[in-house]
Amino acid sequence: EADIYQTPRYLVIGTGKKITLECSQTMGHDKMYWYQQDPGMELHLIHYSYGVNSTEKGDLSSESTVSRIRTEHFPLTLESARPSHTSQYLCASSDDYGYTFGSGTRLTVV
Amino acid sequence: QKEVEQNSGPLSVPEGAIASLNCTYSDRGSQSFFWYRQYSGKSPELIMSIYSNGDKEDGRFTAQLNKASQYVSLLIRDSQPSDSATYLCAVGRYNFNKFYFGSGTKLNVKP
Repeated sequence: EADIYQTPRYLVIGTGKKITLECSQTMGHDKMYWYQQDPGMELHLIHYSYGVNSTEKGDLSSESTVSRIRTEHFPLTLESARPSHTSQYLCASSDDYGYTFGSGTRLTVV
Repeated sequence: QKEVEQNSGPLSVPEGAIASLNCTYSDRGSQSFFWYRQYSGKSPELIMSIYSNGDKEDGRFTAQLNKASQYVSLLIRDSQPSDSATYLCAVGRYNFNKFYFGSGTKLNVKP
């Protein structure tokens, strides 16, 4: 079944650690996205990609980086985690008929 | 001006009533319109899409689009407590690289 997968589901990590949040999709979509969302707050686009080797920064400035080496894979990396990075991170892919979201990664930096 | 505007709510309706959620958008060239439902702590899920003026019905849900007024709405008939969630409006164009999301309207359905 076509779907989009995020791992880990929950992550608690210490300040200064490097982390990578994984996102993979079997939808066959070229376009993929990372959103950041605090509890009860709106979605903020932080990165997106049109296809392999294309990445763009989103509307919200973020200290994270992304890569798109394979169509199905769009990982997000934080080189040095800080408490201000504590949030939920949602990955999505899309065609012209809408977005499909992954289950999200809830990140806590202590 | 935001691309997509929604009243943040909360909108409270009694069980069995009709809930009406509204959204306005600024890009007159928009072609694709979506409603997503997001339960607390969960990711958004697509519940309705609409592409042409008028109404589109799917079970208890009806999406309404008026491109001249740049307005899209979602009606939920016979509202249930399980409909309590935040509803996100999303708008975009074909072949554009991203859709724009509203900030969401929180709906509370009281038993």
